[in-house]
Amino acid sequence: EDKVVQSPLSLVVHEGDTVTLNCSYEVTNFRSLLWYKQEKKAPTFLFMLTSSGIEKKSGRLSSILDKKELFSILNITATQTGDSAIYLCAVVLAGGTSYGKLTFGQGTILTVHP
Amino acid sequence: EPEVTQTPSHQVTQMGQEVILRCVPISNHLYFYWYRQILGQKVEFLVSFYNNEISEKSEIFDDQFSVERPDGSNFTLKIRSTKLEDSAMYFCASMGGRFSTNEKLFFGSGTQLSVL
Repeated sequence: EDKVVQSPLSLVVHEGDTVTLNCSYEVTNFRSLLWYKQEKKAPTFLFMLTSSGIEKKSGRLSSILDKKELFSILNITATQTGDSAIYLCAVVLAGGTSYGKLTFGQGTILTVHP
Repeated sequence: EPEVTQTPSHQVTQMGQEVILRCVPISNHLYFYWYRQILGQKVEFLVSFYNNEISEKSEIFDDQFSVERPDGSNFTLKIRSTKLEDSAMYFCASMGGRFSTNEKLFFGSGTQLSVL
């Protein structure tokens, strides 16, 4: 069974701290890994990772994938209260009818205090 | 930025009633999906739809569920006879197509379905 596990499940930090969120996966036919931020309702897209070792960066957020060790990390530097959200990791499977079928982790709840 | 829109945002229904959840995917997208999230649980895949037919469905997506793309813009999820355990947030998503930058799902803001 395909599995995506995120850690920690929740994290409380203060503004200005740096956080690292983890996502490990065991899937049959990996194509890519996606990170989403879920605030109120809709998950909003952050990063798509397909190749090992290439860091994706957007402002204070960055992410990297290790396809050998089957994990990804999402880093947020200089956290702000607006970063408080659930961060979701999802794996996209390759091939055929599974195209676009995401297997999600359980999410990491990040709370940033002022 | 184009977005996926879903209506209604909340739906309350009695057990056994039929509900239709509506979605307007991003206009030039080719792949459409329904996911759901039961409170406190993971987001789960329900069904994918491409070229006017279901590509894949999960074991959750039993005979009580159906999807339709009745015209060029709408994508609907129908639950024929709702059960208490169908209560969840239902997300519609769409994706442009295969290859590179098109391969990311955009989610709508969801329909919170409550079955009483």
